[in-house]
Amino acid sequence: EDQVTQSPEALRLQEGESSSLNCSYTVSGLRGLFWYRQDPGKGPEFLFTLYSAGEEKEKERLKATLTKKESFLHITAPKPEDSATYLCAVLSNFNKFYFGSGTKLNVKP
Amino acid sequence: DGGITQSPKYLFRKEGQNVTLSCEQNLNHDAMYWYRQDPGQGLRLIYYSQIVNDFQKGDIAEGYSVSREKKESFPLTVTSAQKNPTAFYLCASSMDRDLEQYFGPGTRLTVT
Repeated sequence: EDQVTQSPEALRLQEGESSSLNCSYTVSGLRGLFWYRQDPGKGPEFLFTLYSAGEEKEKERLKATLTKKESFLHITAPKPEDSATYLCAVLSNFNKFYFGSGTKLNVKP
Repeated sequence: DGGITQSPKYLFRKEGQNVTLSCEQNLNHDAMYWYRQDPGQGLRLIYYSQIVNDFQKGDIAEGYSVSREKKESFPLTVTSAQKNPTAFYLCASSMDRDLEQYFGPGTRLTVT
């Protein structure tokens, strides 16, 4: 069964404490993997697209990486303003999107 | 200033009433989507449209209807046949079906 699983469900970090969020997937061929940030009560904000294993993308304190079975969103020295839910989505070879249920990140000052 | 707008932000309806949620984009995107988001669950696709006057059912289309008469607009009607309509509804658009989607701010619908 095609699916996307994100872990952990929730993560609490101290400001400056680096960590990683995981997105593992089992789909019928990967055409693309997308990371989004969602603040409470708002629509998801697009962060990155990754297309092939070994690819990496960076933006400020965030770095996304991709392997054949999973993607990681690394957060380096996070700040309280990085607190949000991070969503992962996968586009399969059948042009179907699968969204994970997200990781809720809370960064304490 | 390009983007996707959804209105209203909050919507309250009585059970048995149909309600229409608005979604407009000025990004010149061909594809548009409607998702439903419930606590603890991933986004679930309701309907999508790749071109004007054409749309396809997603995973949970029952009780919903859409139209795509203009490229910029993709309204969603939640009918009285939808058993569990209370949710956060998100509209999105993309340049093409296989590219990243950009989301609107969402509409929170409460049906009592």
